[in-house]
Order: sequence, then C-alpha cells, then structure tokens
Amino acid sequence: NAGVTQTPKFQVLKTGQSMTLQCAQDMNHNSMYWYRQDPGMGLRLIYYSASEGTTDKGEVPNGYNVSRLNKREFSLRLESAAPSQTSVYFCASSVLAGENDEQYFGPGTRLTVT
Amino acid sequence: AQSVTQLDSQVPVFEEAPVELRCNYSSSVSVYLFWYVQYPNQGLQLLLKYLSGSTLVKGINGFEAEFNKSQTSFHLRKPSVHISDTAEYFCAVTHNAGGTSYGKLTFGQGTILTVHP
Repeated sequence: NAGVTQTPKFQVLKTGQSMTLQCAQDMNHNSMYWYRQDPGMGLRLIYYSASEGTTDKGEVPNGYNVSRLNKREFSLRLESAAPSQTSVYFCASSVLAGENDEQYFGPGTRLTVT
Repeated sequence: AQSVTQLDSQVPVFEEAPVELRCNYSSSVSVYLFWYVQYPNQGLQLLLKYLSGSTLVKGINGFEAEFNKSQTSFHLRKPSVHISDTAEYFCAVTHNAGGTSYGKLTFGQGTILTVHP
C-alpha cells in the first residue's frame, strides 16, 4: 500500500514551458486535492476533485489546469510556467468529500521555474 | 471566509522541555480543526483533529490540543519533546457547512519546531 505517490520529485522548467505533475492514490479514496506550499504561507489549495468526474477551483487556480483521469489519478498541468509558480506541490486524498475527513498527503514535487 | 494564524514562525526548545505551538482561527460558522506535522522533505501527516465533543484532543506522538471556542484558539502542546519532534507544524481549519465544503482546508503559515539536545 503506497498511499499517495507523486511524480516527479524534482523539476526545473524554463519560463513558458509546460509540464504535468502526476498524482495517484491506492486507498480507494473519492476526493483528491492539489496544494502549493510557499515559505511563510502554509499550504494553499489550487484545485480539488470531490469525486471521480468532478473538479473545482480552490484558492489559487490561475495558471493551472487539472484532470481527474480516474478514481486513482489526479494530474496538475502548468500550460506556460512562470517564476511565480516556483513552489512545492502536494497532492492529497481523502475518503469522502467531507469537511471532517482526514487528508493523506504525498511526498511533494519541488518545482523551480527559471 | 475562514483564516488561521499561527502566532510563532519558529519555536526553539531543549529536549525534554514542554512546548506549546499557538494557533488562532477566525470563522463565522462552526469549524473543524486540525494539526498536521511535516518532517523534513516529506509530506504532511495528521497529528490530531477536533470535530466535536471534548475540547481536549489527544493525538499521535504524545501531542494534545485544546479547542477554546471563546478565544478561537486551538493550541498544540507536548509535555516533554524529543529530538525527533523537530519538524514544521501546521494548524488547519475547515468549516462545518453540512457537508458542502468538500474538505477545503485553510492552513496557517506553519511553525518550525526545533528541539535542541
């Protein structure tokens, strides 16, 4: 049982390049989330998927798109990377889309945009 | 809208000393509260959560937190810390909206706890 896995672990992009961050969970969870973590700002929600087939914007969605490929996988795409998107990205999942439900986090992807 | 403020960005402490990490929140509705821990180069792990009932919540690794509704606080405590407790700690809140908030957590800025020998 691997939990939540993310690929890649590290990535360096040039401004304007695109890339997709991959996330998968093997816990049969319904809900999945993408956060970014910046120093002194905690984690901020980018997008979430309450259940397979649905996605919705979080607090900081500009510059990102997501795809809930199936129940296991939730990807985050940067179409045209900007230096402001330099951050650590975390994927998380939870059993249900309930507000009292524990979220399980992946190990993160450290992205640098030059 | 809800917000979370962690009052200390860094807390240094000696091994076996007690520690308190402070968290205040604001929300116009009732809330659920969480503390997560992030060890270096890892993802976040749930320490404990307050949903309802007893205001004193016990979590993993000997941590506990007390929900104080009148002071809108949820401070994290441990009576005796170990070197292995060195990590960043995040307070988070989501509001009780009858199941419609879809687990949208609002996080505080984080507190780095450093335990010295």
